[in-house]
Amino acid sequence: DIQLTQSPSFLSASVGDRVTITCRASQGVSSYLAWYQQKSGNAPKLLIYAASTLQSGVPSRFSGSGSGTEFTLTISSLQPEDFATYYCQQLNRGTFGQGTKLEIK
Amino acid sequence: QVQLVQSGAEVKKPGASVKVSCKASGYTFTSYGITWVRQAPGQGLEWMGWISVFNGNTNYTQKLQGRVTMTTDTSTSTAYMELRSLRSDDTAVYYCARRTNYYDSSSYYIGYGMDVWGQGTTVTVSS
Repeated sequence: DIQLTQSPSFLSASVGDRVTITCRASQGVSSYLAWYQQKSGNAPKLLIYAASTLQSGVPSRFSGSGSGTEFTLTISSLQPEDFATYYCQQLNRGTFGQGTKLEIK
Repeated sequence: QVQLVQSGAEVKKPGASVKVSCKASGYTFTSYGITWVRQAPGQGLEWMGWISVFNGNTNYTQKLQGRVTMTTDTSTSTAYMELRSLRSDDTAVYYCARRTNYYDSSSYYIGYGMDVWGQGTTVTVSS
């Protein structure tokens, strides 16, 4: 099975910061990767699919890149509503990464 | 509006079964798949599998093979997830989500995303 490892697992940042979360796959997954945001107690929200395509309605400060085994999610300027947990998901078997919790510094 | 509404919370004893429903509205039910994801307390997301509403084909995670069944009723636009032989570690919030396929400008498949989610159903397994 393909494993996804996100780094870091916890991230402390301030409003206005640029942050990057990395997702590494144990085997190549081409561009079959998605990113989700989950706020406490709520269902996840799709942010990016096909590694780099922004889902409709998602702010442009979010961006994704990568292919093969290494992917990144970048938030260009953190807003208060962005503090949440982020998950990557590989689409071959649906596996999620362990999550990255983004907290306010 | 497009939405998925799930059934209410369940409390089950070990060894029992649970069946969670997910009613879709606001879109053509048969044009999308339904994925099931669960989240144990304080833990991350776990993909359970998905069903093609169009043809009923299913794909389950190896971990749950033999214990999980996903079905749909197109007459009521409802998806179901049944989990049998429940154990304490099945205690979780269970989500259904619409699986949307994406294509590029040349109609080449580029992947899918779970773009609409139900509100979640808490299943507690306890003696």
